[in-house]
Order: sequence, then C-alpha cells, then structure tokens
Amino acid sequence: QKEVEQDPGPLSVPEGAIVSLNCTYSNSAFQYFMWYRQYSRKGPELLMYTYSSGNKEDGRFTAQVDKSSKYISLFIRDSQPSDSATYLCAMSGGGNNRLAFGKGNQVVVIP
Amino acid sequence: GAVVSQHPSWVICKSGTSVKIECRSLDFQATTMFWYRQFPKQSLMLMATSNEGSKATYEQGVEKDKFLINHASLTLSTLTVTSAHPEDSSFYICSASGLAGLNEQFFGPGTRLTVL
Repeated sequence: QKEVEQDPGPLSVPEGAIVSLNCTYSNSAFQYFMWYRQYSRKGPELLMYTYSSGNKEDGRFTAQVDKSSKYISLFIRDSQPSDSATYLCAMSGGGNNRLAFGKGNQVVVIP
Repeated sequence: GAVVSQHPSWVICKSGTSVKIECRSLDFQATTMFWYRQFPKQSLMLMATSNEGSKATYEQGVEKDKFLINHASLTLSTLTVTSAHPEDSSFYICSASGLAGLNEQFFGPGTRLTVL
C-alpha cells in the first residue's frame, strides 16, 4: 500500500462549482498536511498547511484533516478558470520533514 | 514571503556535459533544501535532502556521483548533473524549509533540462 493515495483522474467542473479533492494515507505518524497547486511547467505552490486534525479556511479554499480516518480534503468554492491546475496533497511527520506526495489531481474549470 | 528561485529555468545541453542548477531562498534562511525530479504528468520524486554545511542524503536509487549537491549557505543549494545523458532530461525542482516551519516546504519554479 502506498503511503499516500490520491486518485489522479482528471476532474472537470463548470465555473462556479465546488471542487472537492481528497487523499488517504496509511502512516499514522503524519501530522503535517499540505495542499499544493501546480500549474503546467511550474513548481508547486503551497496553498494550505494544516497541523493535525481540523479545518482551515483561506478565502475560497478549505482544507480538512481527519486523522482518525487518515483522510484529508480540499474544497474550492466558486471555482474559476484560473483554478485549473494540478493539485497535490503532501504530508510529513514522524521526526523528519520529508514530504510524502499524492499523485496529483488535474482539475479543469470550464468557463 | 517564502520565495524560492531557481536558475536557469531551462537548459539544453549536449550529452556528456555537466549542468549546474542553482536554488536560492530569497527571503528566509533555508536550513534544509530538497531536490526533486518530475516526469510529465507524474508526481514529484525526491532525489536528495541537504542540510546547510553537511553532505546531502540521497534517496535509494539516486546516484550521488552523478547528481552532486552542495548546500554551502543558508540561502543557496546547487545540483550539478554530471556527464548528462538524454535519460537525465527532466523537470528538476528544489524546495526549501526553514527554522520557522520545518515541515513547510516552499518550492522553486523548476528547471527544465533537455539533454541532446
């Protein structure tokens, strides 16, 4: 079983819809959870950073962490065409700061 | 804040030559820098972790003599691809983390290497 599972299937939504992304993980030592956005041919950009369980909101973005289920989510409200990108979940913990990444979700917001 | 730059953004070289890629943290001191490789439509593959002033720790399967990493200061790390071959063509991305947030990594814009 991979440390982090993220369904890479492309996701197309109409502009204004809510985008829902999620990852599951197997390592219970993970405590730090991140979502990165990556545009084509660019480096990943840190979107959300969460420590332990709970919710975090930043503008149109909400990150949720459920450590008991080993499940994290990212929601994008009122999606815009500029949100079209690949979204990677990442996590770390257990005494080192190496990141374990999901495969990434390609999101396309259709005007 | 937390800006990481990479130079060059793209490079084309002949097979057998060496290429150096620079990674700089512009507005914070990076105690740890990471080097990743990314193939098209795939996630990032960690190549090595480097702490300022010490030798890099390479991931299994990454040739340390081929991918030389130097982290001489708290704001600069370099990756040198020695005797590059076409199979080394890839997107190389660095990231940096600092004392303020050891588990937050901030990524550079990446360097696209094409070896002819």
